[in-house]
Amino acid sequence: NAGVTQTPKFRILKIGQSMTLQCTQDMNHNYMYWYRQDPGMGLKLIYYSVGAGITDKGEVPNGYNVSRSTTEDFPLRLELAAPSQTSVYFCASSLNSGNTIYFGEGSWLTVV
Amino acid sequence: GESVGLHLPTLSVQEGDNSIINCAYSNSASDYFIWYKQESGKGPQFIIDIRSNMDKRQGQRVTVLLNKTVKHLSLQIAATQPGDSAVYFCAERTGANNLFFGTGTRLTVIP
Repeated sequence: NAGVTQTPKFRILKIGQSMTLQCTQDMNHNYMYWYRQDPGMGLKLIYYSVGAGITDKGEVPNGYNVSRSTTEDFPLRLELAAPSQTSVYFCASSLNSGNTIYFGEGSWLTVV
Repeated sequence: GESVGLHLPTLSVQEGDNSIINCAYSNSASDYFIWYKQESGKGPQFIIDIRSNMDKRQGQRVTVLLNKTVKHLSLQIAATQPGDSAVYFCAERTGANNLFFGTGTRLTVIP
């Protein structure tokens, strides 16, 4: 199993541009998550999904959108990039709510 | 609100010594706790977890202790090795679909 795979690894965006961070998992997990991690801080939940077709907001959803059309994929969309969205983004998945959450390797995003 | 914090932001230990990383939480309703290790440039890696109906759980070279009375969690690493150098996060789950993470403790192992 590859686990949780995110792309791209690094990206620089200009203010106002849009982009999508891709995430896929091959563990047949029902739950998927997007977190952001600011320097020296813990992770904060942006959005999560409990299954295909279902998404919910986390702690810090503003400025982001997600979709879950398949069990495997959970892309994160930034519509109008702002400097405050400069961060490291982690996609994660778990079999169900009470199970271990497995993380991807992260996507480093800089908005200038 | 939720509060998951770590007592020490940095910890340096001699190779071969035992390490203890502490974590405080504030939500008495939290029923599941996890320790993650994060190496530079990588995603968090699961180390060990514990449910609130337990007070101790052991893995390979690691032990997690949970004291619900004082809302305290600790991670003990036996015979610390250079490869253990990383940032360690504790996280708590309150039953909702989220983990609340602390800010992390950086463990440095001195050869």
